[in-house]
Amino acid sequence: EAGVTQFPSHSVIEKGQTVTLRCDPISGHDNLYWYRRVMGKEIKFLLHFVKESKQDESGMPNNRFLAERTGGTYSTLKVQPAELEDSGVYFCASSPISGSSYNEQFFGPGTRLTVL
Amino acid sequence: QKEVEQNSGPLSVPEGAIASLNCTYSDRGSQSFFWYRQYSGKSPELIMFIYSNGDKEDGRFTAQLNKASQYVSLLIRDSQPSDSATYLCAVKTGGFKTIFGAGTRLFVKA
Repeated sequence: EAGVTQFPSHSVIEKGQTVTLRCDPISGHDNLYWYRRVMGKEIKFLLHFVKESKQDESGMPNNRFLAERTGGTYSTLKVQPAELEDSGVYFCASSPISGSSYNEQFFGPGTRLTVL
Repeated sequence: QKEVEQNSGPLSVPEGAIASLNCTYSDRGSQSFFWYRQYSGKSPELIMFIYSNGDKEDGRFTAQLNKASQYVSLLIRDSQPSDSATYLCAVKTGGFKTIFGAGTRLFVKA
């Protein structure tokens, strides 16, 4: 079974540019989460999808961040325009909606974003 | 006060010893508690979860939960050098939002 995949693995952009991160969850996982880890800080929750619906986006820093999950499969997280403080590692995680492992979030390898 | 607090470490133990990792949380409504292991440059990997007060054992790992004290711990018996990693405590409240601690770095010396 393929795990959670994220693309790109690393992105370097200049302040003011736009970047789009992609996450492909484990097949069949309706729950999809985005997290961010800024250097030296804890992993912070950004938002949670159930299928294509946003259940909780209370962790989104501001309106420069836009997450979508059209069709309830893969998700994208767009940052526009990027600022220096957006640098960090963006993790995606997924879990099934029910069953014995519904509470276990499987993390992807992360996208390291560097804004110069 | 942080929502989930951990000692950043590093915690250094000799091979074969018991490593004890601790975590406190602020939200009394928290319902699910998790320990993740993260190797440097890698993604977090779930190793234990616990919902009820008491102990839960899985191989060399034991999670302990005390909701009255808002305290979660992870014991690693017979520590191995391969256990050297950052251990993240995470707490989930009634919804699906998970709050992570900053992690404790563990070094197991051969």
